[in-house]
Amino acid sequence: DTGVSQDPRHKITKRGQNVTFRCDPISEHNRLYWYRQTLGQGPEFLTYFQNEAQLEKSRLLSDRFSAERPKGSFSTLEIQRTEQGDSAMYLCASSARDSIVTQYFGPGTRLTVL
Amino acid sequence: GNSVTQMEGPVTLSEEAFLTINCTYTATGYPSLFWYVQYPGEGLQLLLKATKADDKGSNKGFEATYRKETTSFHLEKGSVQVSDSAVYFCALMNTGKLIFGQGTTLQVKP
Repeated sequence: DTGVSQDPRHKITKRGQNVTFRCDPISEHNRLYWYRQTLGQGPEFLTYFQNEAQLEKSRLLSDRFSAERPKGSFSTLEIQRTEQGDSAMYLCASSARDSIVTQYFGPGTRLTVL
Repeated sequence: GNSVTQMEGPVTLSEEAFLTINCTYTATGYPSLFWYVQYPGEGLQLLLKATKADDKGSNKGFEATYRKETTSFHLEKGSVQVSDSAVYFCALMNTGKLIFGQGTTLQVKP
């Protein structure tokens, strides 16, 4: 079990550029979650998938954000036309079918928008 | 709505002191409750959990009891170590997603 992995770990971009992050969940975990954490705050829920279906999206997820999990394995989170307010740590987590209560988190992708 | 409130930090203790970090919640229904820990430079790790009222979660000497009557889930440890220095997050789960408090930084001095 290699844990949840995220790529890249750090991303610096200029305002207005598009960025894409990848999350690989623990093998055979059917649920995958995205959260955002800003400095000094707890993580905030963005969206989650059960297999390839996106079941819930937070109101925090503006139209510039899109997430996919095309084959029910890895997931991507894309931010279009980035703004300075998008600077944050983006966290991915996964949970198993028989233990959805326990979410395992990846190391996160730190995004800095200049 | 659902929300979690934690005591503000930082909390600074000497090694072997007793630790309490307060956490209260507001939720519809019967949420599961969690404590997550974030060590410097590392990702979030589940520390302990409780899924129903009066359950006690415990791990690594930390304990927390799900108190429905006071809507609380306070984290305690009898004797902290320098290695416990980290940020601690209380969270609840309702409808599949986690809702976190703002985090409490614990600094333990030798």
